[in-house]
Amino acid sequence: LAKTTQPISMDSYEGQEVNITCSHNNIATNDYITWYQQFPSQGPRFIIQGYKTKVTNEVASLFIPADRKSSTLSLPRVSLSDTAVYYCLSSGNTGKLIFGQGTTLQVKP
Amino acid sequence: SAVISQKPSRDICQRGTSLTIQCQVDSQVTMMFWYRQQPGQSLTLIATANQGSEATYESGFVIDKFPISRPNLTFSTLTVSNMSPEDSSIYLCSVEEGGVMNTEAFFGQGTRLTVV
Repeated sequence: LAKTTQPISMDSYEGQEVNITCSHNNIATNDYITWYQQFPSQGPRFIIQGYKTKVTNEVASLFIPADRKSSTLSLPRVSLSDTAVYYCLSSGNTGKLIFGQGTTLQVKP
Repeated sequence: SAVISQKPSRDICQRGTSLTIQCQVDSQVTMMFWYRQQPGQSLTLIATANQGSEATYESGFVIDKFPISRPNLTFSTLTVSNMSPEDSSIYLCSVEEGGVMNTEAFFGQGTRLTVV
C-alpha cells in the first residue's frame, strides 16, 4: 500500500509554474520526502528530496509544511520536455521504495 | 551518481520459457532492488538482492518465479521463470546512494518484456 497520495493527472501550458501536491499523512519521523520523474521507456530519475521546510535545486523546489503531512513539488516555467510522470515517495533508510500511482503531467504548447 | 546498465533492453519471449535479466552497476553497492512496472502502472518492488545472502521478496513475489542472483557487489540477475502473458512488463534494477537517512535511488533503463 502506497504511503502517498497525489493527483492522477495535471495539465499545464509552456511557461507556467506547476505545483503538484502530495499527501503523506502517516509519514514516519525518519522518512524523507523524495520526488522522481519518469519519462516513457526510462527508469525514474531523482528530482529533489527534503525533510522539512523548503528545498530548492536547479530543477525544482519542494515545500514541506511543519506537520510534514503533505508536500508540494514546484516546477518553474515548464516546457514540453517536462511532460512526464512525477512520483512522490516518503521513505527512510531501508532502501525500499513504495511507489504510488504518480501524477501524469501533460505540458501543452 | 551510480550508472546502471541492464541487459537486454527488451525481449519477446514464448510462454513457458524463462528470461534472465542482468544488472551491472559501476560502483559497489550493498543492496540492489528489482522492480516491475506493468503497462500503464506504477513501479512495484519485487525483491531486494543482498550480496552473500538470499534475496528478500515482497508480498506476492516468490523465489521460484523470480529467482535472483547476487554474485558480487556490482552485479545481479533476475530471472522471470515459466513466463505467461501476465508477466509482460518492464523490469527495472535500482540501487541507492546517500547517507543514513536521505538517499537517492538510481534506476536502470529497464527491460521491456513481452510474453506471447
